[in-house]
Amino acid sequence: DARVTQTPRHKVTEMGQEVTMRCQPILGHNTVFWYRQTMMQGLELLAYFRNRAPLDDSGMPKDRFSAEMPDATLATLKIQPSEPRDSAVYFCASGLPYYEQYFGPGTRLTVT
Amino acid sequence: GIQVEQSPPDLILQEGANSTLRCNFSDSVNNLQWFHQNPWGQLINLFYIPSGTKQNGRLSATTVATERYSLLYISSSQTTDSGVYFCAADNQGGKLIFGQGTELSVKP
Repeated sequence: DARVTQTPRHKVTEMGQEVTMRCQPILGHNTVFWYRQTMMQGLELLAYFRNRAPLDDSGMPKDRFSAEMPDATLATLKIQPSEPRDSAVYFCASGLPYYEQYFGPGTRLTVT
Repeated sequence: GIQVEQSPPDLILQEGANSTLRCNFSDSVNNLQWFHQNPWGQLINLFYIPSGTKQNGRLSATTVATERYSLLYISSSQTTDSGVYFCAADNQGGKLIFGQGTELSVKP
């Protein structure tokens, strides 16, 4: 049963600390997405990759957020330094162009 | 970019009732999906339906691409159907834009 996996599932950290979230896409999917969900903004696309190359990161605050795909089985989203307003659930999703996207379980981030 | 609007924003049903959720989108699409976010926060794929009609058990969906809307039908609702239903659309080959969701509560 192929699925997207994300780690950690929960993270509590203090303001100013670095946070790294990891995602393993479904094998064979060449497009990986990072979304953020908050009560106020709903689901927002932060960035996405195709064949490991970044295609669009316009939704991401550039000064503190970075996203990479070191290889086809791993995508990372880093926040440095973290701020309380970054508290949210971060979802990774994977898929193929023009086909379904499948979401991971999310990382619930709390920055105090 | 494409805009996605869902209605109603909230819906309360008695168990066993039927319902229709609507999704309007502002431009032609090459991808349209319906998701259910359960009370634990998990986003579950319901339908990939850029056009046409599909059915899966008590759920069915219809997208009329020429008129830019999609409908999700839930029949004989159950308490486990509670949660938020999202419609998401894409016309750029990958960038799904989500609606604000319909929050459904099914009472026993």
